[in-house]
Amino acid sequence: DIQMTQSPSTLSASVGDRVTITCRASQSIDSWLAWYQQKPGKAPKLLIHDVSSLESGVPSRFSGSGSVTEFTLTISSLQPDDFATYYCQQYNTFSTFGQGTKVEIK
Amino acid sequence: EVQLLESGGGLVQPGGSLRLSCAASGFTFSIYAMSWVRQAPGRGLEWVSGISSSGGSTYYADSVKGRFTISRDNSKNTVYLQMNSLRTEDTAVYYCAKGRGSSSREFDYWGQGTLVTVSS
Repeated sequence: DIQMTQSPSTLSASVGDRVTITCRASQSIDSWLAWYQQKPGKAPKLLIHDVSSLESGVPSRFSGSGSVTEFTLTISSLQPDDFATYYCQQYNTFSTFGQGTKVEIK
Repeated sequence: EVQLLESGGGLVQPGGSLRLSCAASGFTFSIYAMSWVRQAPGRGLEWVSGISSSGGSTYYADSVKGRFTISRDNSKNTVYLQMNSLRTEDTAVYYCAKGRGSSSREFDYWGQGTLVTVSS
């Protein structure tokens, strides 16, 4: 099974900060990686698919990069609406989610 | 507008069974893969099972293989998850999720979730 490891688990940041979340796969997943945002009590929301393709309607401050086994989600200037938990997901072989990164207010 | 409406959750004893349903609307259901993803209380997301657009291919996480069965009825725009031999560790909110393509396992729309509680 492919394991996905996110870091950090929790991130404290301020509005306007540049934020980077890392996701590492236990083996190559090519470009089959997505990022989701989840707020408490709500379903996840797809932000990015295929490593770097922004989903329609998602603000351009979100971007994704990486390849093979190491990937990043970057928020260029953190906004109040961005405080949430973020998950990476591989879909190269079945599907596996990372354990999540909670972005909280500093 | 895409809508996914799950139903069928509830309280069940260990060893029992439940069938979840997810009624879809607002898109051509028969050309998209569908999946179930769960989230235990206070925990992260776990993909459970997926089915291709035609229903000809099904996929399961190791944790549920042999106990859960996914199916779909394209005439009713509905996907199902039959859950047997339930365990306490199956307690979670179960989300229905729409794939981006006919066999996709990345999800562009999600339902609101239905809570399954396995407890004696």
